[in-house]
Amino acid sequence: EPEVTQTPSHQVTQMGQEVILRCVPISNHLYFYWYRQILGQKVEFLVSFYNNEISEKSEIFDDQFSVERPDGSNFTLKIRSTKLEDSAMYFCASTPFTEAFFGQGTRLTVV
Amino acid sequence: RKEVEQDPGPFNVPEGATVAFNCTYSNSASQSFFWYRQDCRKEPKLLMSVYSSGNEDGRFTAQLNRASQYISLLIRDSKLSDSATYLCVVNMGSGGGADGLTFGKGTHLIIQP
Repeated sequence: EPEVTQTPSHQVTQMGQEVILRCVPISNHLYFYWYRQILGQKVEFLVSFYNNEISEKSEIFDDQFSVERPDGSNFTLKIRSTKLEDSAMYFCASTPFTEAFFGQGTRLTVV
Repeated sequence: RKEVEQDPGPFNVPEGATVAFNCTYSNSASQSFFWYRQDCRKEPKLLMSVYSSGNEDGRFTAQLNRASQYISLLIRDSKLSDSATYLCVVNMGSGGGADGLTFGKGTHLIIQP
């Protein structure tokens, strides 16, 4: 069964460093998303991506965040200068249209 | 502000019982509705989509009430493995496709032996 895969599963980084989270969406899906979940809190939408450009972003997705689809398979989330409050689980999801399928997540810990 | 509201629980339910959750959403133009299940520190997994006519998948039944803007999930003959957090998810985009999904905070269900 096709699935969304994310790497790494856990990333520890120092405050102020840049991190890149990677995702391989399901191959025939058209829409890609990044979400985050701070421990004990709800899943929050960050950004959606369609046709090689951002289609919507939340107020969380400020200038320190960027997304890219550098090739036909990978979808990346870059956080430029990490803050302590960026520590969270980051989920990538893809969907053919409405039903989203999530990767296992990357746990980001900023120290 | 676009919101999805759920009772966080926890719901403590004996094995074999029937349990129901509700969820309300704020945007009357919402097009698609889902229940996801999330186990501790894992990704959300799609449990079922919710259709206007209501739909059933084994022990699980989902209902949508557009007039009152709520959706429900009923679990019959609950199993220990049903213990999880159940997320109500609504696509509040007018197009229904590429817009971001809005998640409720989840309802925590604990099935007790």
